[in-house]
Amino acid sequence: GQQLNQSPQSMFIQEGEDVSMNCTSSSIFNTWLWYKQDPGEGPVLLIALYKAGELTSNGRLTAQFGITRKDSFLNISASIPSDVGIYFCAGFPSGSARQLTFGSGTQLTVLP
Amino acid sequence: EPEVTQTPSHQVTQMGQEVILRCVPISNHLYFYWYRQILGQKVEFLVSFYNNEISEKSEIFDDQFSVERPDGSNFTLKIRSTKLEDSAMYFCASSTEGGDYEQYFGPGTRLTVT
Repeated sequence: GQQLNQSPQSMFIQEGEDVSMNCTSSSIFNTWLWYKQDPGEGPVLLIALYKAGELTSNGRLTAQFGITRKDSFLNISASIPSDVGIYFCAGFPSGSARQLTFGSGTQLTVLP
Repeated sequence: EPEVTQTPSHQVTQMGQEVILRCVPISNHLYFYWYRQILGQKVEFLVSFYNNEISEKSEIFDDQFSVERPDGSNFTLKIRSTKLEDSAMYFCASSTEGGDYEQYFGPGTRLTVT
C-alpha cells in the first residue's frame, strides 16, 4: 500500500519556539490532512489541504500542500504546553477518495 | 459542536468471542469509516461505508469483520471470533457526501483480547 514517511519521529522544544514537521510520499496524494492525537484519544483534525501549493493556517498552525503533490509540512509557531501530543499527516492516495493513509506520527514534547 | 461518539470506551474479551463496537457518526454525515491503531503504531484504515454498503476495505478487513448501519444513527463493527492480534484502539470516523473529504474521528474503543 501507499506509505507516508513522516519526520521527525519526535521533537523536544522549549515553550515559545517554532516547530516544523513534514510528510513525504513516493506517490501522488490528492488531499493532505493533519491531525493531532492526545494519549487515549482519537485524532483531531487540524488542517485540510486540497490543492498543490496551497498554504492554509489555523491559528498558530500553518500547513502547505507541496507542489509535487508528494509532500506536506506543518508549522507550529510560538509553541505552548498544550501543543504536546502526536501529530499525524494523512492523505488520500491517487485512486482513493475515502481511504485515509496515515503517517507514523511526530511526537512533540514542549518543555517549560 | 457535533462529534462522533463511540461505545464502549474499553472492551475486554476472550479470544474466540464475538465483539460489537458501536459508533454514532455526526448526524448529517453520510460516509462512515472504521480505523484501528495498534499500540504505538500508526492509524490504519479498515473500511468505508456509504449508502448501506461497503465502498472500500483494506486487506485487514477480512471475513472476521463486518459492518452494519442497524438504524438511522448507529454504525457498528463486528469481529466474529477475536484473536489476540485484534487488540487495538478502534476508531470510527465520518464525513460528508460532498467534495469535502475531511474525516472526523471518535474517541475510540480500546479492545483488549485475552
